[in-house]
Amino acid sequence: AQSVTQLDSQVPVFEEAPVELRCNYSSSVSVYLFWYVQYPNQGLQLLLKYLSGSTLVKGINGFEAEFNKSQTSFHLRKPSVHISDTAEYFCAAIIQGAQKLVFGQGTRLTINP
Amino acid sequence: EAQVTQNPRYLITVTGKKLTVTCSQNMNHEYMSWYRQDPGLGLRQIYYSMNVEVTDKGDVPEGYKVSRKEKRNFPLILESPSPNQTSLYFCASSFRGQGAGGELFFGEGSRLTVL
Repeated sequence: AQSVTQLDSQVPVFEEAPVELRCNYSSSVSVYLFWYVQYPNQGLQLLLKYLSGSTLVKGINGFEAEFNKSQTSFHLRKPSVHISDTAEYFCAAIIQGAQKLVFGQGTRLTINP
Repeated sequence: EAQVTQNPRYLITVTGKKLTVTCSQNMNHEYMSWYRQDPGLGLRQIYYSMNVEVTDKGDVPEGYKVSRKEKRNFPLILESPSPNQTSLYFCASSFRGQGAGGELFFGEGSRLTVL
């Protein structure tokens, strides 16, 4: 069965430091991959997605992610974080043509001044 | 403004008292879905709908019902709520089905407590 694993439940970093949030998926067939962000007391919104083409995907707010098929990973990165990036981040995957988007457990990013 | 609207945002109820959480979208999306969010478990899909009168079970459908009589509305019904349904619920919609890689648009969530 398809699954998504986010390797860190919480990631604390200092403001202006770089950050990487890790995501691995399990699937033997082609998948679409997503990162969603949930700010406090809000719904989720799309940060970026990988459907095909270039393995480096750029999203909103300076985030980017790299699709690595051999390692079945889709890690999210930002070179310099801000206080406003404090949120919970969800990685998600769906098998192409299926209808079930599977979410990871979420990673809470905390930015310290 | 394009949005997904859920009501109520907060609800405390008692075991066995039927309730409905409404969801409406104004983007003419075909696909709609309900998720529940629980700490450490991420989001799990309850039900989804590909179009009017077309619904299917997600991963955790037990204890829930849905209907899709109109394209814009997708209510979630708890016929006899139990404490294990205490959770944060999200409705989401998408122009195309998820299998086409469409972006999901989420409502702001409905926090339900069942005593």
